[in-house]
Amino acid sequence: ETGVTQTPRHLVMGMTNKKSLKCEQHLGHNAMYWYKQSAKKPLELMFVYSLEERVENNSVPSRFSPECPNSSHLFLHLHTLQPEDSALYLCASSRDSQTTEAFFGQGTRLTVV
Amino acid sequence: GENVEQHPSTLSVQEGDSAVIKCTYSDSASNYFPWYKQELGKGPQLIIDIRSNVGEKKDQRIAVTLNKTAKHFSLHITETQPEDSAVYFCAASIGGGSYIPTFGRGTSLIVHP
Repeated sequence: ETGVTQTPRHLVMGMTNKKSLKCEQHLGHNAMYWYKQSAKKPLELMFVYSLEERVENNSVPSRFSPECPNSSHLFLHLHTLQPEDSALYLCASSRDSQTTEAFFGQGTRLTVV
Repeated sequence: GENVEQHPSTLSVQEGDSAVIKCTYSDSASNYFPWYKQELGKGPQLIIDIRSNVGEKKDQRIAVTLNKTAKHFSLHITETQPEDSAVYFCAASIGGGSYIPTFGRGTSLIVHP
């Protein structure tokens, strides 16, 4: 256990659905991240939040919408996704955005049908 | 931006053998190089890291070497065990500011008993 919990572990959704991924950490960290992990590709950084403010947005399509209501919780809202968005979505946290070690959750395996 | 290349993509060894995974990076300003291990169904977990002011670092059966001139770094695992089987990711980042690592594509290590 890394202290970062993601729910759900698996999600199947249609292209017209709206769903949300949840990430929770009680490590006292101030920075949280969303990554996308696709087969045979490097981990892709999607969003970075530091002290609940978004500090990085790597040209992610608007069908992905992050929300960070407090330093312990991070959401990724999904709507009108495409089949190519199927991947493992990983949440991570670190003490702050300048700290080197990131702690990852187990990920949500998303399948878009 | 930074580009990290990782080889091989798959590595199969017998228990007790050594395993070496190599990475190269493009940005000479990168100065922090972590290695992550991802077991099946889990998120990546930091196993060892090295900073640019050090050439080698060891932690029991794992070691990492860094050649700043050539811009490459390697992970060495000795006396491999079946539980070492996992996907290993290297990463590079420019520390001191906002720590956002660039990851390699990963190496799937299989240790046969």
